[in-house]
Amino acid sequence: GQSLEQPSEVTAVEGAIVQINCTYQTSGFYGLSWYQQHDGGAPTFLSYNALDGLEETGRFSSFLSRSDSYGYLLLQELQMKDSASYFCAVRVESGNTPLVFGKGTRLSVIA
Amino acid sequence: DADVTQTPRNRITKTGKRIMLECSQTKGHDRMYWYRQDPGLGLRLIYYSFDVKDINKGEISDGYSVSRQAQAKFSLSLESAIPNQTALYFCATGTARQETQYFGPGTRLLVL
Repeated sequence: GQSLEQPSEVTAVEGAIVQINCTYQTSGFYGLSWYQQHDGGAPTFLSYNALDGLEETGRFSSFLSRSDSYGYLLLQELQMKDSASYFCAVRVESGNTPLVFGKGTRLSVIA
Repeated sequence: DADVTQTPRNRITKTGKRIMLECSQTKGHDRMYWYRQDPGLGLRLIYYSFDVKDINKGEISDGYSVSRQAQAKFSLSLESAIPNQTALYFCATGTARQETQYFGPGTRLLVL
């Protein structure tokens, strides 16, 4: 089967930096995605890594190490509006396969 | 207007009833998905379709069926609803070339 592990909850202070980790054990791997979901809302795409290294998009960065089957989402200069659930997702095969999602990490940003 | 719409947004039904959840998209995507979300369990795939004539079971398809009426429409049916099908249901779309999936606003279903 496919397995993605991420912490269930993380709490961080406004203005700080937080890292949300994701480790995966899957039958194949083509890329790691991150999605954000606010309470009562739909998941929205944040980032995608197919190759090792860091991808930066504004305050958010995503990192991938294929050899370690590991990635993380880094949120800098945390804002209250960043309080949400964050899901990692793996593309197991190229092209015609759906994503496999982790169970999500609930991030609470406190003042 | 929203690119991916779901109807209804909320639904209360009784055990044994047949219900249909509908999804429409204006993004022109060929791929459509139905997910179920339960607290602490993330997003679990029910069914997916890569084309009007293509239907595939996902991780938790038992008790559900789908119909891809057109490229833009993908409906999910519960033939005989049961209380453990109470959940938040999301439709999503995507393409072969893009990694992004676009989610609808969700349908909150309560089965009594």
